[in-house]
Amino acid sequence: EVQLVESGGGLVQPGGSLRLSCAASGFTVSSNYMSWVRQAPGKGLEWVSVIYSGGSTYYADSVKGRFTISRDNSKNTLYLQMNSLRAEDTAVYYCARDHRAIGYYFDYWGQGTLVTVSS
Amino acid sequence: EIVLTQSPATLSLSPGERATLSCRASQSVSSYLAWYQQKPGQAPRLLIYDASNRATGIPARFSGSGSGTDFTLTISSLEPEDFAVYYCQQRSNWPSTFGPGTKVDIK
Repeated sequence: EVQLVESGGGLVQPGGSLRLSCAASGFTVSSNYMSWVRQAPGKGLEWVSVIYSGGSTYYADSVKGRFTISRDNSKNTLYLQMNSLRAEDTAVYYCARDHRAIGYYFDYWGQGTLVTVSS
Repeated sequence: EIVLTQSPATLSLSPGERATLSCRASQSVSSYLAWYQQKPGQAPRLLIYDASNRATGIPARFSGSGSGTDFTLTISSLEPEDFAVYYCQQRSNWPSTFGPGTKVDIK
């Protein structure tokens, strides 16, 4: 069974850092495209970042230069390192699999982890 | 960046009624459009991909249509568990973008 479990969210001050983790089971992270998608409180969905199976990474303009996506193949885990956090980064962060077989849409999602940026 | 507009913002219907949700793109996305359902406190769930293909395990009452800039999600007969927010998403152009959502609530 495919499962994604995020962790690492919490309260952080503006300018601070946080690292999110997404532990996968039932499939191999490194063989798939994996994304982070966020949702500000009461708002819609925003794609944040993707890592391709080959290792290439891409970011939304709103986080470029501040966030870094990575993976640990030995742990089958996806990460999002978030630096220089701003109030507008407050959101639930979801990891999701971009499934090649269905054209890279998000077929599995984690339960989400809440990041709150506030002083 | 492609902007997706969804209408209506809220749709108030009764169980058993037909729901028709619209998603319009600011430029053509061909058929590279998906629909997701999200219930409060839950992650989104993929319903439809490539405009008209149902994802695994999605009931036949959900159907998608359209191409280019205009797309429709139809729920043929609303079940109690279908009351939720529905988002469209395009992956034709980078970055992938989502619409603002349509809330289907109980009348």
